Amino acid sequence: EPEVTQTPSHQVTQMGQEVILRCVPISNHLYFYWYRQILGQKVEFLVSFYNNEISEKSEIFDDQFSVERPDGSNFTLKIRSTKLEDSAMYFCASSGSTDTQYFGPGTRLTVL
Amino acid sequence: SQKIEQNSEALNIQEGKTATLTCNYTNYSPAYLQWYRQDPGRGPVFLLLIRENEKEKRKERLKVTFDTTLKQSLFHITASQPADSATYLCALDKRDTGRRALTFGSGTRLQVQP
Repeated sequence: EPEVTQTPSHQVTQMGQEVILRCVPISNHLYFYWYRQILGQKVEFLVSFYNNEISEKSEIFDDQFSVERPDGSNFTLKIRSTKLEDSAMYFCASSGSTDTQYFGPGTRLTVL
Repeated sequence: SQKIEQNSEALNIQEGKTATLTCNYTNYSPAYLQWYRQDPGRGPVFLLLIRENEKEKRKERLKVTFDTTLKQSLFHITASQPADSATYLCALDKRDTGRRALTFGSGTRLQVQP
């Protein structure tokens, strides 16, 4: 069964550093998403991406964040200058014709 | 503002019983309500979707109901098993308006005792 994959599974970085989280969505899906979940809190929407542009974003997704689909298979989330409060699990998701969103296993980001 | 609430943080039941989880929402109309399962340290796994104009959906031992008057969905797991122990999340979207972003509840942690 096709699945969303994410790398790395765990990323540790220093405050102020840039990080790039990578995702490979399900191959025939057209919509891509990033969500995050701070430890013990709700899953929160960050951004959705369709047809090579952002279709929706939340107030969390400020100028420090960007997304890119650099080739036909990868979907990335970049955080330009990480803060302590960016520490969270980051989930990539993708959806196709049924609109059901399929989530990846997540990247745990730890900012020191 | 739009809100989703899952009534209990934790629910403990005996194996074989039916687990019933509740999700209430406000200021979403129409709504597409989805239920996900999340295991510790893992991503949410889609289980069922129910539309506001549907009363009930079933999938194997799972059943979801939707009460549009109460703006409430109930999620049932019949003949529960210890393997059903996980956190169950409800989520809403407004895909009819083109908004696919999911808004999640805080989840209910289900523990099924053998």
